[in-house]
Amino acid sequence: DQQVKQNSPSLSVQEGRISILNCDYTNSMFDYFLWYKKYPAEGPTFLISISSIKDKNEDGRFTVFLNKSAKHLSLHIVPSQPGDSAVYFCAARWNSNYQLIWGAGTKLIIKP
Amino acid sequence: NAGVTQTPKFQVLKTGQSMTLQCAQDMNHEYMSWYRQDPGMGLRLIHYSVGAGITDQGEVPNGYNVSRSTTEDFPLRLLSAAPSQTSVYFCASSYLISGRGYEQFFGPGTRLTVL
Repeated sequence: DQQVKQNSPSLSVQEGRISILNCDYTNSMFDYFLWYKKYPAEGPTFLISISSIKDKNEDGRFTVFLNKSAKHLSLHIVPSQPGDSAVYFCAARWNSNYQLIWGAGTKLIIKP
Repeated sequence: NAGVTQTPKFQVLKTGQSMTLQCAQDMNHEYMSWYRQDPGMGLRLIHYSVGAGITDQGEVPNGYNVSRSTTEDFPLRLLSAAPSQTSVYFCASSYLISGRGYEQFFGPGTRLTVL
């Protein structure tokens, strides 16, 4: 049973437009959500996170929104740039545990 | 500051062979973990450690052993390699960053093929 789901395997967006990546979860005990970015042949790198007590967190071009009632979070990238082309993973932390539960990832392609 | 390093980058094994994937970090992180990543799936936790001398199983521990004799090193041992262990393996480490929720730092990965 996948507790963290990223239902879109890939997403293609025009350069300069907004990219919206989505993530759904089932476990209401998750208390922290993180987004990671991964380039080919590299390890994932941390992008942005949000606590379950907040509904929005912003860092430059990246904003994460959390809708607890819908158990849904989204990552907005504005404006999208070619360097944003990567696989994006959503991950969730449960009950102040060190462990993270990961989604399957969404491949974002930014078209010039 | 090298971060998290992994060796080797690539490895091909025959079924039944054993080997050790190396992982080291120089950030004095308490927590270290091993993941495997397979196509169409997220990262799955194999084993983890919250400090030297302390290890525990993750989601998919069968066929793997770990030990943590120092804070810096966390090797992953494949006891008898099977084709199902063909995957990309990532080592990660972390400490608690206030307000950031145990951000994990990853190594570059080891691509393992078992024939």
